[in-house]
Amino acid sequence: DVVLTQTPSTLSATIGQSVSISCRSSQSLLDSAGNTYLYWYLQRPGQSPQLLIYLVSNLGSGVPNRFSGSGSGTDFTLKISGVEAEDLGVYYCMQATHAPLTFGSGTKLEIK
Amino acid sequence: QVKLLQSGAALVKPGASVKMSCKASGYTFTDYWVSWVKQSHGKSLEWIGEIYPNSGATNFNEKFKGKATLTVDKSTSTAYMELSRLTSEDSAIYYCTPDYPGIRGYFDYWGQGVMVTVSS
Repeated sequence: DVVLTQTPSTLSATIGQSVSISCRSSQSLLDSAGNTYLYWYLQRPGQSPQLLIYLVSNLGSGVPNRFSGSGSGTDFTLKISGVEAEDLGVYYCMQATHAPLTFGSGTKLEIK
Repeated sequence: QVKLLQSGAALVKPGASVKMSCKASGYTFTDYWVSWVKQSHGKSLEWIGEIYPNSGATNFNEKFKGKATLTVDKSTSTAYMELSRLTSEDSAIYYCTPDYPGIRGYFDYWGQGVMVTVSS
């Protein structure tokens, strides 16, 4: 199975600070058709996960544009440009290029 | 709008089985694969498998073959997952989520989750 390694595991930020989360894959996530099925989800405390970013860099519906995704192959990054209080929670990267679909171990964002 | 209403929490004994439901509304149920995802307490997410309501076709994570059974009732737009031979390792929250057609892994809507506790 593809292993997704997220760093850091915990992140503490002040309101307005910009932060980045890394997701490194054990295999390339580029498929034979040229698609990269790398996603970012946020799980707020006590809630179900919600989609933030799909196909590496595309914003999910209704997601604020302070969130951005980048990367290729095996290295991917989620950036939050100007953290807001509502951004606290656990961020997961997920790949769907290779079966089975797998998730990273998560990055907990705390607000100072 | 799209809604996924999952059944309530379950307390089950070791060795028993549990069946949970996921009732979909607001979209054409038969057109979307429905995935099930496990979240053990305080831990990350694991993809269990998926079912295509139109045909009943399924795909599983090898880890959950023999553990999970996926079915649907098209007449009520409801997906079901049954977990068998339960152990403490099966205590977790289980989510259902439909997969956007053509974009594998695009999980825009999630159920509220079912907490399963395995205890004697």
